[in-house]
Formats: sequence, C-alpha cells, structure tokens
Amino acid sequence: SAVISQKPSRDICQRGTSLTIQCQVDSQVTMMFWYRQQPGQSLTLIATANQGSEATYESGFVIDKFPISRPNLTFSTLTVSNMSPEDSSIYLCSVAAQTYNEQFFGPGTRLTVL
Amino acid sequence: QKEVEQNSGPLSVPEGAIASLNCTYSDRGSQSFFWYRQYSGKSPELIMSIYSNGDKEDGRFTAQLNKASQYVSLLIRDSQPSDSATYLCAVKGGGSQGNLIFGKGTKLSVKP
Repeated sequence: SAVISQKPSRDICQRGTSLTIQCQVDSQVTMMFWYRQQPGQSLTLIATANQGSEATYESGFVIDKFPISRPNLTFSTLTVSNMSPEDSSIYLCSVAAQTYNEQFFGPGTRLTVL
Repeated sequence: QKEVEQNSGPLSVPEGAIASLNCTYSDRGSQSFFWYRQYSGKSPELIMSIYSNGDKEDGRFTAQLNKASQYVSLLIRDSQPSDSATYLCAVKGGGSQGNLIFGKGTKLSVKP
C-alpha cells in the first residue's frame, strides 16, 4: 500500500485563526479524501479532493470553512478556517488507487483549538 | 440516511478465544465492506475487505458477509492482547464517489 504522510502531526491553535494540513502520498492515487474524527467518535467524511477541480463536500461541510486543494495526484491540503474549539479533532486524509478500491489512511493531524 | 451500526462494547474476551464483531448496514445497494483496526491515538488500519457473500479468511481473521441480511462480521481466532483495539466497520455504496460510511466502532479488550 501507499505511504502517506501528513503535516503537521499535531497543533494547538487560537480561536479565529486558520490551519492548513498537508497530505503527501508516495505514489499517484486516483482518490483522496479528508475525514474528521472528533474525540471518542467515529470517522466522518468531510470531502473528496478532486484533482484539477473543486472538492466534493459532504452534507454539513462547506468550502468556506474547509477549503481543499489538490494540485496533482500525490498531494492535497485541507484548511480549517476561522477555527473555534468545536473544530478540535483529528483530521485524516485517506487515499484509494481507484474509486472502489480499499482506502488507506494517513497518520492524522491532531488539532486543538483554544 | 445511510447508517452502519456496531455494538460499541467493550467486548472482553480471554486470550486464545474467538472474538466476534458484528455490523449491520442500512443501504441495500452497498457493494464493498471493510474492517479497520484503530489503536488508541493511531489512525485506522485496514485489516479486511469483502465484496461477495460468504466468508473470507486471512490469517487469524475471517470476514463474513450476508447481503440479504445486510450483515457483516469479523471473527478473530486465537485472540491476543495485541488485538485489543477499536474495530471499525465501513461500508461503501454503489455511487460514483468512493465514500465510506463508518460505524462507531467496537472496542475489543483481550485479557491475558
């Protein structure tokens, strides 16, 4: 499976600021996704990062709050904008070689908003 | 609303026993089914995938799928303390995107 890295691994941020999380894969992948895992909860899909076009957001998530870029087949970023304590969570990217293949997760970014 | 249901546990089994983890899903059009293992403080790790009815075995793990009953399970034979983790069931529908719907997970504890 692909080797996936995320930066930063963790961060503590102030309310009202923004944080950009990077996801890098060591091989080209068709699909890249961004998930959120709130404390003690399961994973919730934020959006599908589409290469060369706007991301596809799930219900409850909007581009102004979570802008996503995907400039090529190995890299994506997720920005958490105008943060509040409710955004404290683990943010995970995942990849799949093809649409219906297995998804593999990066190590995650643990975000705390004060 | 597509849902995936799991018993949250904790499920406690003695070392060497069989651990049985269950999952039901609401979307009858679901095509692909996955089990992830998540250790505390770590990201989910894919351990099994199953696409057709029946059993699929991989080492000590067996995944079972029954699409008519909308039910998927994971059996762990000869459970070890290192199997103690939260197990997440994930289901992918038949749409054009690769969206996974996750259950809330079952916490497994294997006692030495």
